[in-house]
Amino acid sequence: NAGVTQTPKFRILKIGQSMTLQCTQDMNHNYMYWYRQDPGMGLKLIYYSVGAGITDKGEVPNGYNVSRSTTEDFPLRLELAAPSQTSVYFCASSYSTDASYEQYFGPGTRLTVT
Amino acid sequence: GQSLEQPSEVTAVEGAIVQINCTYQTSGFYGLSWYQQHDGGAPTFLSYNALDGLEETGRFSSFLSRSDSYGYLLLQELQMKDSASYFCAVSKSGNTPLVFGKGTRLSVIA
Repeated sequence: NAGVTQTPKFRILKIGQSMTLQCTQDMNHNYMYWYRQDPGMGLKLIYYSVGAGITDKGEVPNGYNVSRSTTEDFPLRLELAAPSQTSVYFCASSYSTDASYEQYFGPGTRLTVT
Repeated sequence: GQSLEQPSEVTAVEGAIVQINCTYQTSGFYGLSWYQQHDGGAPTFLSYNALDGLEETGRFSSFLSRSDSYGYLLLQELQMKDSASYFCAVSKSGNTPLVFGKGTRLSVIA
């Protein structure tokens, strides 16, 4: 199993540009998450999904959109990129939101907006 | 509201024992998890406590006191490879996502 994969690994955007961060998992997990991590900080939840066709906002959803058309894929869309969106983005998946079930994280996408 | 407090940095000597504390204030509590993250890497799951007491997994142990809204991660026989950031995370219910603390950066020195 590849686990959780993310593309791209690195990206530089100009202010106002848009992009989609890709996330795929092959563990047949229903639950998927997008986090952002600023330097020296913890993980902040952007959006999450409890299954195909169902998404919900996390703590910091503004400026982002998601979709979940399949169990495997959970892309994150940035519209009109701003410098405040410079961060490392992690996608994760789990069997359940119950914390006893481990969240598996992808390797991250390092995004710079200039 | 909700908050999790952890020390920002801890330094310990190779071979020693270190304890990383986590206090939480959340509207609802279901369990406390710990994750490890090496520089440039992704977080990985270490442990989970739902009930009071100590859970042991090899050199790592995690403790929870629900009445004190407090937990800690205990690392024994420290190795250089244990230098990393450690995050506590709280789940407020069985079907809501985790809330992560800001993390504690552990430096293991010779």
